[in-house]
Amino acid sequence: QVQLVQSGAEVKKPGSSVTVSCKASGGTLKMYAIIWVRQAPGQGLEWMGGIIPIFSTSHYAQKFQGRVTITADESTSTAYMELNSLISADTAIYYCARGTLNWLPDYWGQGTLVTVSS
Amino acid sequence: DIVMTQSPESLAVSLGERATINCKSSQSLLHSSNNKKFLGWYQQKPGQPPKLLIYWASTRESGVPDRFSGSGSGTDFTLTISRLRAEDVAVYYCHQYYNAPFTFGPGTRVDI
Repeated sequence: QVQLVQSGAEVKKPGSSVTVSCKASGGTLKMYAIIWVRQAPGQGLEWMGGIIPIFSTSHYAQKFQGRVTITADESTSTAYMELNSLISADTAIYYCARGTLNWLPDYWGQGTLVTVSS
Repeated sequence: DIVMTQSPESLAVSLGERATINCKSSQSLLHSSNNKKFLGWYQQKPGQPPKLLIYWASTRESGVPDRFSGSGSGTDFTLTISRLRAEDVAVYYCHQYYNAPFTFGPGTRVDI
């Protein structure tokens, strides 16, 4: 069964960038969607975007267009999410998820807390 | 964008009783090509990532107890927990994967 292991917590200054990684073990990211969802403290789930590398397909929520980049390195079964121009409202837990080719997230990483603070 | 709404925001149910959560989408999630409804349900417990319970509106994910069931039409969906157990205390989210950007409902908190 695949496990998604994300990188550790980050503290960032406003205006900076953060990159969160997501490594699949016991499985592969090939032939799947890679999806990123975030959750601000005490709030609900917010879909950010995703890619299907094998189809070179990507979708991003309008809110994050131009500020987020999702990539995948199939040779290491690792996905990455880079978020730029951070503001305090970006403080959240960021989850990666592996999804079906229909974009249904089925396996989730443990989450990475990103704190944006001056 | 497809807007997902859920009701109620929270509910308290006695152990062994039924919990019913409603989810409504701003447009139909029924795809004519395969007659499937692109709606999933997730359970999230404190400090944990979401867990997939139901997909295609009514198909239980492998390993999910059969007290969890999903139903619905193109725009109105229901998650039912038939006999609530203590371990079912969580927040439940519906999610549409019909059209990008794919969106979640605001969540329903279930307590004892």
